[in-house]
Amino acid sequence: EIVLTQSPGTLSLSPGERATLSCRASQSVSSTYLAWYQQKPGQAPRLLIFAASSRATGIPDRFSGSGSGTDFTLTISRLEPEDFAVYYCQQYGSSYTFGPGTKLEIK
Amino acid sequence: QLQLQESGPGLAKPSETLSLTCTVSGAPISSSSYFWGWIRQPPGKGLEWIGSIYYNGTSYYNPPLKSRVTISVDTSKNQLSLQLGSVTAADTAVYYCARDRGFTMVRGGYFYYMDVWGKGTTVTVSS
Repeated sequence: EIVLTQSPGTLSLSPGERATLSCRASQSVSSTYLAWYQQKPGQAPRLLIFAASSRATGIPDRFSGSGSGTDFTLTISRLEPEDFAVYYCQQYGSSYTFGPGTKLEIK
Repeated sequence: QLQLQESGPGLAKPSETLSLTCTVSGAPISSSSYFWGWIRQPPGKGLEWIGSIYYNGTSYYNPPLKSRVTISVDTSKNQLSLQLGSVTAADTAVYYCARDRGFTMVRGGYFYYMDVWGKGTTVTVSS
């Protein structure tokens, strides 16, 4: 099973700042098997990025994904108040697994 | 607009079988090349994939849960169902259904993600 590690566990930033979230896999992951989700309290996860770098429908262009192999990154170029949430990366190897999440909180 | 809605008992007793239904509206569950999945999230914890199914019954399960899980589909009702047997307190979670892009070839390749989610239903396992 491929294990995903996300860092940092918690990221404290202010609106307007740039956020960089990391997702590292225990084995190489195909880029088309890597996705990112945003989850706010009491809500279902929302797909942000699929295939490592493609934005899902309706996702603002301040969200971008990059990376390959074992290292992937989600970048939020300029934080808006509604962006403070928990972010999960997900991969598919022989099964889907999710990272433990990065909590993005207001500083 | 595609919508998914989970339903079922909010409480299950230890050792019993948990049964949930996901009703899909806005598109026939058999109309496109998508699988349909179940994912759960224990309180305060991360996400765990349970399994996914195609409208023809082809299914894939998460190995640690496979022996206790059955996912089925009813195209006449546009629903998918989850049965999880021999439940314990560790199965207490919010259960989500979602549209799953994986397992089918698209534009010559495979893409794995879940793009439409239900709001989730909370299940507590307790005597």
